[in-house]
Amino acid sequence: SQTIHQWPATLVQPVGSPLSLECTVEGTSNPNLYWYRQAAGRGLQLLFYSVGIGQISSEVPQNLSASRPQDRQFILSSKKLLLSDSGFYLCAWSVLSAGAKNIQYFGAGTRLSVL
Amino acid sequence: GNSVTQMEGPVTLSEEAFLTINCTYTATGYPSLFWYVQYPGEGLQLLLKATKADDKGSNKGFEATYRKETTSFHLEKGSVQVSDSAVYFCALSDRDSSYKLIFGSGTRLLVRP
Repeated sequence: SQTIHQWPATLVQPVGSPLSLECTVEGTSNPNLYWYRQAAGRGLQLLFYSVGIGQISSEVPQNLSASRPQDRQFILSSKKLLLSDSGFYLCAWSVLSAGAKNIQYFGAGTRLSVL
Repeated sequence: GNSVTQMEGPVTLSEEAFLTINCTYTATGYPSLFWYVQYPGEGLQLLLKATKADDKGSNKGFEATYRKETTSFHLEKGSVQVSDSAVYFCALSDRDSSYKLIFGSGTRLLVRP
């Protein structure tokens, strides 16, 4: 069966520090991968998605970047965190097929507090 | 562009009450529709889905019917439990942009014993 792992679960970082959040998927090949951010009490904002190794699409201009160095690994990074980067970050995967209808499966999330 | 609109929360109910959370959508094509649930401190879980008009998705006592004529996908449950307290997200996936899910803003449900 497929599983998705995100770490760390919780992170407290000072303003201006770098960031690296990692997401890995097991049990499937060539998944589509996604990073979302959920601000407190708000809905989900799609930040990045990837359809293959090295292929990254950005949905919104921001202080963050994403990379996909391996088929089932998706990394969210920042060189210098801002206060506004605080939030709950969710990684998700899907496999496109007529039957799957782009069902996305989510990790447990990383709660980031920038102080 | 495509969008999803949900009723604002929080929705507060007593245990065993009837639940409705409204969801309407705007889409150019024929989207698939989803309800996801987020329990406190966790990621999102798929609750149910419907892929074409008049389909009814169901799971764990929750139901939603894909109504193309009213562009709606309202979530219902006949008798809620305290354990149903969570945030519920309506979402659509359009075939024209099939990489992406478009989410509503979420509705928080609080069920009191």
